[in-house]
Amino acid sequence: QVQLVQSGAEVRKPGASVKVSCKASGYSFTTFDIHWVRQATGQGLEWMGRMTPDSGHWISAQKFQGRVTLTRNGSITTAYMELSSLRSEDTAVYYCARAIPLEDWGQGTLVTVSS
Amino acid sequence: DIQMTQSPSSLSASVGDRVTITCRASQSIYSYLNWYQQKPGKAPKLLIYAASSLQSGVPSRFSGSGSGTDFTLTISSLQPEDIATYYCQQSYNTPFTFGPGTKVDIK
Repeated sequence: QVQLVQSGAEVRKPGASVKVSCKASGYSFTTFDIHWVRQATGQGLEWMGRMTPDSGHWISAQKFQGRVTLTRNGSITTAYMELSSLRSEDTAVYYCARAIPLEDWGQGTLVTVSS
Repeated sequence: DIQMTQSPSSLSASVGDRVTITCRASQSIYSYLNWYQQKPGKAPKLLIYAASSLQSGVPSRFSGSGSGTDFTLTISSLQPEDIATYYCQQSYNTPFTFGPGTKVDIK
């Protein structure tokens, strides 16, 4: 069955960067885009961007342009989301999800930004 | 960016009630509209895609309708396990924006 397993919780200071991984299994990794969605505590869902594993091409929401980078390592079927210049407002659970519509989701990774 | 709105923001209903949630897009998105259910502490789950197609494994009491700018999610007979927050999402144009969510409770 399809599984997306994300890396564990992270704590960072303001101004630092964080890299979250998303290990995919149970399907052909290069066939479906990987999307990233975040959710601040008690808030709604926010689409951040998507990456096409076959080509490595990615796009992000304008809000995150210049701060987010989406990559992948096809040999280990893992996608990555790196967010830089972190601020307190970036404290959230970050999800990876497969395809659009978002059929399968990772379990989420809590990123806490605190001095 | 396409803005998505939902109404109501929350509702309370009795078990067995018919529940309807509305989602509106700021421009036509044809049928590129998806619905997700999220329970506390869990990842969202896809319920409906392409406005009215039921995702495999989702109970048939869930249904979706609409096209263009106005969409609805209906739960024909509310069950205790349907307590959750429901989000619509447009997949017509990036960024694939979500609605603010509708929290459903049991009365």
